[in-house]
This record gives sequence, structure tokens and C-alpha cells, in this order.
Amino acid sequence: NAGVTQTPKFQVLKTGQSMTLQCAQDMNHEYMSWYRQDPGMGLRLIHYSVGAGITDQGEVPNGYNVSRSTTEDFPLRLLSAAPSQTSVYFCASSQPRGASSGANVLTFGAGSRLTVL
Amino acid sequence: AQSVTQPDIHITVSEGASLELRCNYSYGATPYLFWYVQSPGQGLQLLLKYFSGDTLVQGIKGFEAEFKRSQSSFNLRKPSVHWSDAAEYFCAVGGRYGGSQGNLIFGKGTKLSVKP
Repeated sequence: NAGVTQTPKFQVLKTGQSMTLQCAQDMNHEYMSWYRQDPGMGLRLIHYSVGAGITDQGEVPNGYNVSRSTTEDFPLRLLSAAPSQTSVYFCASSQPRGASSGANVLTFGAGSRLTVL
Repeated sequence: AQSVTQPDIHITVSEGASLELRCNYSYGATPYLFWYVQSPGQGLQLLLKYFSGDTLVQGIKGFEAEFKRSQSSFNLRKPSVHWSDAAEYFCAVGGRYGGSQGNLIFGKGTKLSVKP
């Protein structure tokens, strides 16, 4: 059972380049989300999805796009990278409401460190 | 506004000493409450959670936390710290209802250093 898998683990981009951070989970979780972690800021929610075909914005969505075509995958796209997007990105998933006490318990991926020059 | 405050950015304790990490939250209703730990270069691992019932909850690695509704607090404690506990600790809150209940609000974290 792999849990939540993020790729790549490290990436360096130039300003204006585009890229996609991949996230896949094999736990059949309905809910998936992306956070960014910056020093002294904790984790901030970028986008989330409550199921295939459904996405919504979190606290800091600007500059990022997401889609959810399958239950397993939730890629995060940077269309035109900026230095302000230098960060560590975490994907997470969880059981939907109605599950037993597992509701709301996020399982995190190992993170993707992105540097934009 | 919903928020989580961890007043201590960095704490240093001696190995074997007791530990308390503070967490206060602001939320419209009683939320779900969590503590996560992050070792350097790693992802986040759940230490413990509070949903309902007994306000003193036990977690992994000998940690416990107490929910105090009157103080809007969820402080993390450990009676005797080990060198391997050095890490960053995050308190988080989440809603109980609705499709976005997985959206957690995190504190800014407390970095724990352990002296030999």
C-alpha cells in the first residue's frame, strides 16, 4: 500500500516555465488537497477536491490550476512559474464524511520541493 | 476568522525533561483537532486527533493532548522527551461537516530542539 505518492521530489524552474506536480493515492479516498509550506507560515491550502470532477479553491489558489479526472490522481499545475511559488508542496488525501473515525484524517505525501529562479 | 495560533516558534528542552507545546484556535464551532509532526525533509505524520468524547487523547510516541473548550486550546504534552522527538510540530483544526471537512487550518508550527 503506497499511500500518497508525489512526483517529482525536487524541481528547479525558471520564471515563466510551466510544470505539473503529480499526486496519486491508492486508498480510494474521495478527498484530496494540495498545500504549500513556507518557512514560518505553516501549511496553506491551495486547492482541494471532494471527488472526481469536483475541485475548489483554498486559501492561496492564485497561479495554480488543478483537475480531478479520476479518484486516484490530483495533479497541480503551474502555468507560468514565479519566484513566489518557490516552496515545498504537499498533497494529502482523506476519507469522506460518513466513514468511521477516519473522517478528516489527512494522509500526506512526502512533499515536492520546487525552486523557481 | 478561523485561525490556529502556536505561540512558540522554537522550544529547546533537555532530554528526559517534560514538554508542553501550546495551541490555541479560533473557530465557529467545536472543530476536529490534530497534532502533526514533521521531521526534517519529511512529510507530516499524525500524532493524535480529537473528535469527541474524552478530552485527553493519547497519541503515538508517548504524546498526549488535552482539549479545553473554555480556553479554545489543544496543548500537546510528553512527560519525558527523547532526542528523536526533535522535529517541527503543527497543530491543525478542521470542520465537522460538509464536503470540505478535509480542509485543515494549520498553525505556523513549533520547532523542538532537544539538548543531550
